[in-house]
Amino acid sequence: GENVEQHPSTLSVQEGDSAVIKCTYSDSASNYFPWYKQELGKRPQLIIDIRSNVGEKKDQRIAVTLNKTAKHFSLHITETQPEDSAVYFCAARGTSYGKLTFGQGTILTVHP
Amino acid sequence: DADVTQTPRNRITKTGKRIMLECSQTKGHDRMYWYRQDPGLGLRLIYYSFDVKDINKGEISDGYSVSRQAQAKFSLSLESAIPNQTALYFCATSDLYGLYNSPLHFGNGTRLTVT
Repeated sequence: GENVEQHPSTLSVQEGDSAVIKCTYSDSASNYFPWYKQELGKRPQLIIDIRSNVGEKKDQRIAVTLNKTAKHFSLHITETQPEDSAVYFCAARGTSYGKLTFGQGTILTVHP
Repeated sequence: DADVTQTPRNRITKTGKRIMLECSQTKGHDRMYWYRQDPGLGLRLIYYSFDVKDINKGEISDGYSVSRQAQAKFSLSLESAIPNQTALYFCATSDLYGLYNSPLHFGNGTRLTVT
């Protein structure tokens, strides 16, 4: 089955800096890669996703890049703010009908 | 507001007890999932159901069972709870848009402690 590795497990940045979280996946048939943000005590919520026919996608301060050849994808957050502090999860889906496999999560802390 | 509701929000139980976690949704989605969250391990799939008559094991189904009572209801049971089942449990839903699954929508979670 699919295996997703996520790094780093914790990331601490100063407000205004950029943050990058990286994930690798094992199944070359995976074609959908979402990112979820989980604030303390709350449910995970989708913040951005990308399909395998696209190399990059942006939404304001967040972007995701995908390298299918290397089987890795990354989340980029620019101009970080304290409210970006949360746990971030990457995930991969093997087929259109398949289920999501999640990475281990990254605890991002943005210091004012 | 269409949502995914889990009950109870918190539960403390003793080793060996049977416990049921419930999930209901008003999103009208066909697909429902149970995930378990542990620190450093991410979200791991326990069971999933693509419609009322469909039940599938996920990656960590041992010690758990599920019941899909209706399109809107999906419950998770621990037949004989053990301490290493202490975790945060999430129900989630999704739908099929053409050939693609929609994103997952998570419930608020149930924090289960087994003593």
